[in-house]
Amino acid sequence: RKEVEQDPGPFNVPEGATVAFNCTYSNSASQSFFWYRQDCRKEPKLLMSVYSSGNEDGRFTAQLNRASQYISLLIRDSKLSDSATYLCVVTRGSTLGRLYFGRGTQLTVWP
Amino acid sequence: NAGVTQTPKFQVLKTGQSMTLQCAQDMNHEYMSWYRQDPGMGLRLIHYSVGAGITDQGEVPNGYNVSRSTTEDFPLRLLSAAPSQTSVYFCASSSNRDGYTFGSGTRLTVV
Repeated sequence: RKEVEQDPGPFNVPEGATVAFNCTYSNSASQSFFWYRQDCRKEPKLLMSVYSSGNEDGRFTAQLNRASQYISLLIRDSKLSDSATYLCVVTRGSTLGRLYFGRGTQLTVWP
Repeated sequence: NAGVTQTPKFQVLKTGQSMTLQCAQDMNHEYMSWYRQDPGMGLRLIHYSVGAGITDQGEVPNGYNVSRSTTEDFPLRLLSAAPSQTSVYFCASSSNRDGYTFGSGTRLTVV
């Protein structure tokens, strides 16, 4: 079983839509969780960390459910510039040394 | 503040050649990692380091060596290049729980 599993997508949504991505992880000892964004042929960039209490950054909301080993990302009022691949990332245990990436979910926002 | 710098950006190697991918960061980060990204496979961890003098293997270490003699530098050596090592390579660094900063990548083709 892969460490991190994500919705394969692709998601194609109109501007202004709300879209949600889901991710599950297999190692219950994982301590740190992140969402990254990757544009075509570019490096991944940190979108937000995910905390147990949930966290919000503008139009983006991340949730963590440790009992179900489940992470989500909600994007409200989608913009054309949100088109990218979204990567779910977890650590193995408490160390930041080992990060495990999901394969990513591709989002296209159309006008 | 340059962040994470990778060189070269593009490289073509012949089967059996060796080379070193360079990675340097100027943020005094303890953690550094090397990933490869292949279509449909997501990012996979090759090697990582939690500090100068300390390295460990990731998911796909075979065919690669690393060393960490300084905090700033984390070179990745391909010992004898094979076509299966054709990929995009990313170096990343981090200092805390707030995720990794990635370099812009090296696109390697082995013919």
